[in-house]
Amino acid sequence: RKEVEQDPGPFNVPEGATVAFNCTYSNSASQSFFWYRQDCRKEPKLLMSVYSSGNEDGRFTAQLNRASQYISLLIRDSKLSDSATYLCVVTPGFQKLVFGTGTRLLVSP
Amino acid sequence: GAVVSQHPSWVICKSGTSVKIECRSLDFQATTMFWYRQFPKQSLMLMATSNEGSKATYEQGVEKDKFLINHASLTLSTLTVTSAHPEDSSFYICSATKSFDTAGTNTEAFFGQGTRLTVV
Repeated sequence: RKEVEQDPGPFNVPEGATVAFNCTYSNSASQSFFWYRQDCRKEPKLLMSVYSSGNEDGRFTAQLNRASQYISLLIRDSKLSDSATYLCVVTPGFQKLVFGTGTRLLVSP
Repeated sequence: GAVVSQHPSWVICKSGTSVKIECRSLDFQATTMFWYRQFPKQSLMLMATSNEGSKATYEQGVEKDKFLINHASLTLSTLTVTSAHPEDSSFYICSATKSFDTAGTNTEAFFGQGTRLTVV
């Protein structure tokens, strides 16, 4: 079983739609969780950290379920510029990051 | 915010030659840096952990003699792909993690711009 698993997609949605991604992780001792965004041929960039209580940043909402060992990312009112690959990232130990395969999102007009 | 600079951004080399990629943390000291490789439509795969002043730690399946890592200062790590072959063509990315608290739980990874290596 992979340490971090994501549905690779692609998720094809129209502008304005709401879309949700899930990610599961295998190491119950994992400490920190993040969503990164990666545009084609570019380096990943932090989208948001995921806190136990859940957190929201504008149109983006992240949630963590430690009991079921999954995290989620919800994007509301999708924009064309949201088209990218979204990487679920988990830290099983200090500083080391483990990446999921990424979920590709395509937002169409 | 913290910035990590990687150079070169792309390189084309002949099979059998060696290529060096540099990764610099510009506004913070990084005792640990990470090197990743990403093939098309695949996830980032950790190759090795670069430790300042000591040997790098390689992930299983990564040849340490082929991918030489040097982390001689707190702001610079280099990856040298020795005797490169076409199958080494990939996107190589470095990262450095900055902790915002002493417990190390509030961290953020900053990535270099990546190096696209093409071996012909």
